Amino acid sequence: QQPVQSPQAVILREGEDAVINCSSSKALYSVHWYRQKHGEAPVFLMILLKGGEQKGHEKISASFNEKKQQSSLYLTASQLSYSGTYFCGTETGNTPLVFGKGTRLSVIA
Amino acid sequence: DSGVTQTPKHLITATGQRVTLRCSPRSGDLSVYWYQQSLDQGLQFLIHYYNGEERAKGNILERFSAQQFPDLHSELNLSSLELGDSALYFCASRGGDSAGYTQYFGPGTRLTVL
Repeated sequence: QQPVQSPQAVILREGEDAVINCSSSKALYSVHWYRQKHGEAPVFLMILLKGGEQKGHEKISASFNEKKQQSSLYLTASQLSYSGTYFCGTETGNTPLVFGKGTRLSVIA
Repeated sequence: DSGVTQTPKHLITATGQRVTLRCSPRSGDLSVYWYQQSLDQGLQFLIHYYNGEERAKGNILERFSAQQFPDLHSELNLSSLELGDSALYFCASRGGDSAGYTQYFGPGTRLTVL
């Protein structure tokens, strides 16, 4: 079951914050976040496991609400380099990652 | 650099032809996954191999097949190619087979079918 990401696209000015959401109708074991620049490979950002703590990576952090089967990715004080498409991938057990359709983030000067 | 390698980087071929895409996982990783990404689309899971055995199939066409060899590299074979098969094909590897392992993507092969 493909997770649902929102918003589909967002435009930010440098220094602004953004939140990207990922939700599933199934009970999740883990949520994985990736960023992909156009024509390049998805790059791993972080993984959140059921029962685990909120993760952080520089100015990018994420949370996982197990009760709601939702995860949110927080980007603070955005930089031009944050531009790209963000994908969440979800696991419901020993199954392959299923990715959402992505959120296109554009950071402008 | 994720440590996952894919060849070739680009491939241009004609409809009806057959091609083979190659993937070498990160050192020590036993799992290989193949994904298809069409223009501005998401990542569609095709197939998963673990230590030489097929573990899961996604939206993989019958014209497509894959295998993982004893040295753990994997090949994706695409035959009777159609225009709609033009896409980026990624492989990814991860250390284990169970949930929670991080998955790393290779640089991809861009396939263009003319």
